[in-house]
Amino acid sequence: EAGVAQSPRYKIIEKRQSVAFWCNPISGHATLYWYQQILGQGPKLLIQFQNNGVVDDSQLPKDRFSAERLKGVDSTLKIQPAKLEDSAVYLCASSLRQPKAYNEQFFGPGTRLTVL
Amino acid sequence: AQKITQTQPGMFVQEKEAVTLDCTYDTSDQSYGLFWYKQPSSGEMIFLIYQGSYDEQNATEGRYSLNFQKARKSANLVISASQLGDSAMYFCAMREGRGNQGGKLIFGQGTELSVKP
Repeated sequence: EAGVAQSPRYKIIEKRQSVAFWCNPISGHATLYWYQQILGQGPKLLIQFQNNGVVDDSQLPKDRFSAERLKGVDSTLKIQPAKLEDSAVYLCASSLRQPKAYNEQFFGPGTRLTVL
Repeated sequence: AQKITQTQPGMFVQEKEAVTLDCTYDTSDQSYGLFWYKQPSSGEMIFLIYQGSYDEQNATEGRYSLNFQKARKSANLVISASQLGDSAMYFCAMREGRGNQGGKLIFGQGTELSVKP
C-alpha cells in the first residue's frame, strides 16, 4: 500500500513570495490533515478535511494561508505572502473515515520550507 | 484546554537497556486517545502505540509499552531493549474530538532519544 505522498520535499523562498505544497493521501482515506511543525516543536494542526469539506481550520492563518481538497482526494496548501516565521516542516496526514477505534493517522515525509 | 507535556527535551540510553519517556496530559473529556509517534531525522512521523481512555490494560506493541496512569494523567512510553535505530524524536499526542470525524492530534514538544552503543 502506497503511503502519503508530498511534494516538494524542500523549498526555499524569499519573504513575501508565494509557495504551494501538494499532498496525495492514502487511497480510500477520507480524512486529510495539514500540520505545521516549527523546529524544536511538535506538529500543530492547520486544517482538517473530511472528503472535500473543511472540518477544522481554527488555527489556519487565513490572511495568508489557504488550502483546498478538490474531489476529496489530493490537497494543496498555499502561503501568500510568506513570512519569516512560516519557516517550518509542513506535514500532511490521512486517516480512514470509518476508522479503527484509534483512528491512526498516517503521515507523509513532509515539506521543509525555508523563508529568507 | 487540552495540553500535552513532555518534560524531557533529551534522553540518553545504553544499547539493550530499557528507557522511559514521560508524558502528562490535561483534558476535561472522559473519552480521549493517547498516541506515541517516532520521528527520525528523515522527518516522517511513525505511529508506535495507542491507548484509549477506557482501555483497562496498558497497551503493548513489540518492544513498546505504554504505562497509562489515568488518575495521574500520565502516559509514559517504555522502550525495552533499546537499539541504535531507536535514536529519534518521540512525540506524545492526544486525540481531540470524538466519533467518526477523527479529531485532530495535540502534540507535546517531543523528547530526543539517543541510544549509545
